[in-house]
Amino acid sequence: GESVGLHLPTLSVQEGDNSIINCAYSNSASDYFIWYKQESGKGPQFIIDIRSNMDKRQGQRVTVLLNKTVKHLSLQIAATQPGDSAVYFCAENGKGGGYNKLIFGAGTRLAVHP
Amino acid sequence: EPEVTQTPSHQVTQMGQEVILRCVPISNHLYFYWYRQILGQKVEFLVSFYNNEISEKSEIFDDQFSVERPDGSNFTLKIRSTKLEDSAMYFCASSGNQPQHFGDGTRLSIL
Repeated sequence: GESVGLHLPTLSVQEGDNSIINCAYSNSASDYFIWYKQESGKGPQFIIDIRSNMDKRQGQRVTVLLNKTVKHLSLQIAATQPGDSAVYFCAENGKGGGYNKLIFGAGTRLAVHP
Repeated sequence: EPEVTQTPSHQVTQMGQEVILRCVPISNHLYFYWYRQILGQKVEFLVSFYNNEISEKSEIFDDQFSVERPDGSNFTLKIRSTKLEDSAMYFCASSGNQPQHFGDGTRLSIL
C-alpha cells in the first residue's frame, strides 16, 4: 500500500544540539523523497530532497539519509536553532520525479529550547 | 525568490455555497497541484494538473471539485456545494521537474 509515517510525534532538543527526525515509508517503488518544514500558519517549505539512487545528501546544516533496505528516511539538523522549531514532514513520490503526487507522513513537531 | 501565492488567506462560507480558491503558481512551472490539510492532520493530495488537464486525482476530489487554469497565471480550485467536512487548509503547489513549492494556503471554514 501507500503510506509514509513518522516514529516520533514530538522532538524536544536544546539549542545548539543536533536533531534527528525519522520517517518510515512503505512503498518500495518510491524513488524520490522530500522533507518539508511547516511553521504555524504557513505552507510546507522545501528543505531537502533525495533520490533513491543516493543514500545521503547534504544541504546547509541539514542532511538527509535514506536506507532503502529498511525503508527509512531521516533528517538531521546540525546546531539546532530556535528558528528550526516547526513541524517537519517527510513525503514520498511513488512514481518518481517531482510532478507526481506527494504522499505525506504524519509530521514531527520539533521544539527547540534555549 | 519566486513563490506560490494564494488568495484569500481565509474564506468563510455557508454550507451548500460554492467557493473558489485562487493560486498564482511560480511563473515558469508547468505542473500544478492542490492539497488539503485538516486541522492537526497530515497534508493530503487532491489533484495534479498539467498541460491543461488533470493528471491525477484522489478519492477526495469528487464531482463537487473542479480545477481550472483560466489564463496564463492563475490556477483555481472550485468546490460547488460545500460541506462541513470541507473545512480545512487548502494548499496550492507548483513544480518544474522538482521539488514542489507550496503556497501559504487558504483556510476554508464552512458554517
